[in-house]
Amino acid sequence: GESVGLHLPTLSVQEGDNSIINCAYSNSASDYFIWYKQESGKGPQFIIDIRSNMDKRQGQRVTVLLNKTVKHLSLQIAATQPGDSAVYFCAEPYGNKLVFGAGTILRVKS
Amino acid sequence: DAGVTQSPTHLIKTRGQQVTLRCSPKSGHDTVSWYQQALGQGPQFIFQYYEEEERQRGNFPDRFSGHQFPNYSSELNVNALLLGDSALYLCASSLAGGFTDTQYFGPGTRLTVL
Repeated sequence: GESVGLHLPTLSVQEGDNSIINCAYSNSASDYFIWYKQESGKGPQFIIDIRSNMDKRQGQRVTVLLNKTVKHLSLQIAATQPGDSAVYFCAEPYGNKLVFGAGTILRVKS
Repeated sequence: DAGVTQSPTHLIKTRGQQVTLRCSPKSGHDTVSWYQQALGQGPQFIFQYYEEEERQRGNFPDRFSGHQFPNYSSELNVNALLLGDSALYLCASSLAGGFTDTQYFGPGTRLTVL
């Protein structure tokens, strides 16, 4: 069946440290993955995406890594800031719909 | 560049009532998807509209229906409301045939059923 899940429900990091949020997926045929950030009371905000023909993609302070062998992807946030505190979801398209994992709460300690 | 907008922001209804939620897609987008997000969970796909037709539907009962207008805006209707329908309802827009399937989300409508 379809399944996109996360290993850690809550992650607490010190301001300035790097954060790593993990996600496992089950569909070997998936060719596209997306990370979203959702702040309290808001809708999910697109962060970065990656296609299956890539192992790594970098954005501004964020990097997504894709390991197709173990069906795992991760989101790395460099120099984590208080404004990064949110719930982070990985998502995977199934046809026209997105399937989301349960989410990881990122808490940044000042 | 206008993002996805939704109205109303909050809504309180009682069991058995009907509700209509509205969504305007991001400028240049022609496809609208609706999601339900229960507290502490990820969004769950309800359905998607393209060219004024329902293109794909998730595992939701017929009480959930929708519509897309010629200007690409969309409505989500829920009949015979249940307590379990209390959730954040999210609208997402995308461009059919675009390079990616990236969906951009609105702020959501918080529905409370009493």
